[in-house]
Amino acid sequence: EAGVAQSPRYKIIEKRQSVAFWCNPISGHATLYWYQQILGQGPKLLIQFQNNGVVDDSQLPKDRFSAERLKGVDSTLKIQPAKLEDSAVYLCASSLFPAHTIYFGEGSWLTVV
Amino acid sequence: KNEVEQSPQNLTAQEGEFITINCSYSVGISALHWLQQHPGGGIVSLFMLSSGKKKHGRLIATINIQEKHSSLHITASHPRDSAVYICAVGVRYGGATNKLIFGTGTLLAVQP
Repeated sequence: EAGVAQSPRYKIIEKRQSVAFWCNPISGHATLYWYQQILGQGPKLLIQFQNNGVVDDSQLPKDRFSAERLKGVDSTLKIQPAKLEDSAVYLCASSLFPAHTIYFGEGSWLTVV
Repeated sequence: KNEVEQSPQNLTAQEGEFITINCSYSVGISALHWLQQHPGGGIVSLFMLSSGKKKHGRLIATINIQEKHSSLHITASHPRDSAVYICAVGVRYGGATNKLIFGTGTLLAVQP
């Protein structure tokens, strides 16, 4: 079974530039999560999708972050414009349904300089 | 006070030792997850449990719902077990929706 795929693995951008991360969850998984993990801290949920609907985006900085899952399969997370404090690992995860076993991707490492 | 507390924050052990990592939580949960994160790596789900005990290889996870406490045990520890171990609890809200609340993790180093 293929795991959660993310790209790019690494990205370095200057502040005020934009960046986009892509995630393809495990086939059949209805629930998709984007997490932000700053070095030394636990993951923080940015947004949770159930199929193509948003069920929780309360911690998403909506002035600069956006995410979509148009067809209920893969998803894109965008940051525009980036700030220095956005430097983190962006983890995508999926599960069959909420409260089921969660599977994480390898993460996309972002450095903003 | 965090809703999910782990102890210890850092743990150094000698190869072969029996290791215990603890997790306490203060909210009602649907399930508790133990996750493993190697340096520079992604997160792997080790266990999801809502009652009792689960075992996989050298890893054992237990949960006491009444005490709101879970433990992760590693028997015959090995240097490749060195990683951050994260406890996360699933919390129901908004009907069928469930979200995870993460502990801050336990950094384990097993020395040969």
